[in-house]
Amino acid sequence: DQQVKQNSPSLSVQEGRISILNCDYTNSMFDYFLWYKKYPAEGPTFLISISSIKDKNEDGRFTVFLNKSAKHLSLHIVPSQPGDSAVYFCAASAGISGNTGKLIFGQGTTLQVKP
Amino acid sequence: ETGVTQTPRHLVMGMTNKKSLKCEQHLGHNAMYWYKQSAKKPLELMFVYNFKEQTENNSVPSRFSPECPNSSHLFLHLHTLQPEDSALYLCASSQQGALGLFFGSGTQLSVL
Repeated sequence: DQQVKQNSPSLSVQEGRISILNCDYTNSMFDYFLWYKKYPAEGPTFLISISSIKDKNEDGRFTVFLNKSAKHLSLHIVPSQPGDSAVYFCAASAGISGNTGKLIFGQGTTLQVKP
Repeated sequence: ETGVTQTPRHLVMGMTNKKSLKCEQHLGHNAMYWYKQSAKKPLELMFVYNFKEQTENNSVPSRFSPECPNSSHLFLHLHTLQPEDSALYLCASSQQGALGLFFGSGTQLSVL
């Protein structure tokens, strides 16, 4: 049973518009959520995170929203740029023993930002 | 070298071969991980090492054998693999108690 799901395998957005990537989870013990970005032939790189005690975290053009009651989080990119084209992974951690490297990942969403 | 480096970047092997994947982290972290990414699937955690000790084996078949001689190096020894083991194998490191993983670029493995 997949605990973290990204139901949209791909998303295409025009440059300058908003990109919204969605993620759902099932485990109510998750207390940290992260987004990773992956370019081809490279490993995933950390983008932004949010603790379960918050409902929003913003970093420049990137904002993550968390809706605990719906077990849903989303990543907003505004404005989208062609360099944002990549695969985006949602990940969650139960933070057991402070070992936040034990992450559960979603399948990823491929974002294409068209010039 | 900085960050997390993995070698080789690509590997093609037959089912009877024995090969090893190597990972080295230059970040001073004390935890290292192997993840597997198959096409259109989530990244799957395989093994976790904390302070050189294996703390997690996520039901990985014994044809995958990890080795962590010190906090900076991690190996994945492969033997008698199956074609369905073809995937991208990613190494990562973190600092115990800190948020976030740092990934290497991965080894793209093809088993023929």
